[in-house]
Amino acid sequence: DAKTTQPTSMDCAEGRAANLPCNHSTISGNEYVYWYRQIHSQGPQYIIHGLKNNETNEMASLIITEDRKSSTLILPHATLRDTAVYYCIVRARSSNTGKLIFGQGTTLQVKP
Amino acid sequence: EPEVTQTPSHQVTQMGQEVILRCVPISNHLYFYWYRQILGQKVEFLVSFYNNEISEKSEIFDDQFSVERPDGSNFTLKIRSTKLEDSAMYFCASSELVGTQYFGPGTRLLVL
Repeated sequence: DAKTTQPTSMDCAEGRAANLPCNHSTISGNEYVYWYRQIHSQGPQYIIHGLKNNETNEMASLIITEDRKSSTLILPHATLRDTAVYYCIVRARSSNTGKLIFGQGTTLQVKP
Repeated sequence: EPEVTQTPSHQVTQMGQEVILRCVPISNHLYFYWYRQILGQKVEFLVSFYNNEISEKSEIFDDQFSVERPDGSNFTLKIRSTKLEDSAMYFCASSELVGTQYFGPGTRLLVL
């Protein structure tokens, strides 16, 4: 599975959009980009995933560049409860086991 | 909304003792996983399970570990003879297909 690179930490003001970048320059055509977050040692929480089109759900939007080498997770109106570690994970569509490989992620601190 | 549940939430045991961590995956899911997270470290894949057999395991998942689906609802992780370094959060996850995994809240295991 492709390796991802994320900033170690970011701050965001409450109510503003949080834009979390991820670099996955070695991604291959059959690999999805998944985003999870972990709030203070709770179980990782699924946020969103995509292959090449931009995606939006009730939690967030995922913008994937045309060359698929990077993506951005957007939390449109961050709240204090969005303070968490955010993980960008690339995984093959055809993976026969589905294991997720977590990196260190980005620690997002939402400030009042 | 269906969710993965895990019991117990906390477990304290003596080194060398056996522990069984229990998980109830989401009911229509077919793929099951165990991950662990040592305090301050990354979430690490342990094992994936499908069709009543292990589909992949990591190098962490040695002979001291075993998994079982004893009935139609539970999925267990057994550590036969616990070591101090087994102290960690253990997360169960499940997925309908090899796709989005949903995680449980975790069991915090402390080996003394």
